[in-house]
Amino acid sequence: DIQMTQSPSTLSASVGDRVTITCRASQSISSWLAWYQQKPGKAPKLLIYKASSLESGVPSRFSGSGSGTEFTLTISSLQPDDFATYYCQQYNSYWGTFGQGTKVEIK
Amino acid sequence: EVQLVQSGAEVKKPGESLKISCKGSGYSFTSYWIGWVRQMPGKGLEWMGIIYPGDSDTRYSPSFQGQVTISADKSISTAYLQWSSLKASDTAMYYCARPGVPSSPDAFDIWGQGTMVTVSS
Repeated sequence: DIQMTQSPSTLSASVGDRVTITCRASQSISSWLAWYQQKPGKAPKLLIYKASSLESGVPSRFSGSGSGTEFTLTISSLQPDDFATYYCQQYNSYWGTFGQGTKVEIK
Repeated sequence: EVQLVQSGAEVKKPGESLKISCKGSGYSFTSYWIGWVRQMPGKGLEWMGIIYPGDSDTRYSPSFQGQVTISADKSISTAYLQWSSLKASDTAMYYCARPGVPSSPDAFDIWGQGTMVTVSS
């Protein structure tokens, strides 16, 4: 089993802040990592795939980096629409795994 | 427009069986895997399993192997998630999702609207 561990679990930030979320894999997943945003009552939305590729239509303030076992999602300047929960997901192995999520709250 | 449309909310009793559906449209249904994701109330996302409708190749997370069955009917572009005997702990929102890359169990770029399953006596 590949375990995905996100940190922090909750993050309090203000509009305009630079925000970084970390995701660690229990073993190497190369760059087979995605980031999703989920708002209450809605389906998740793909933000980043293959660790650093921005999904079409996603604002450029979102970026992803990393490879192997350590990955980050960065929001360069937090906007009101970005308050949500973020999940990483590996798709390197036979089955996928999500991280436990990071809730970005208003400070 | 590429979309996945899921069946409606269900309320069931423990021990009952259930099959929920996910209909794909706007793309070649047999060329893309379809996955299922569970979200229990107030909790995170859990990857359950994935099926390739082209040949019915199916993969399950160990946590869900033997607990659910994933299937697909390519003649009607529909994937299914079924239980033979529901438990209260199956109460959750279930999403189907499609990877963005054909023939690859890749990141999910298309999601269904979700099906809420409530199991209560």
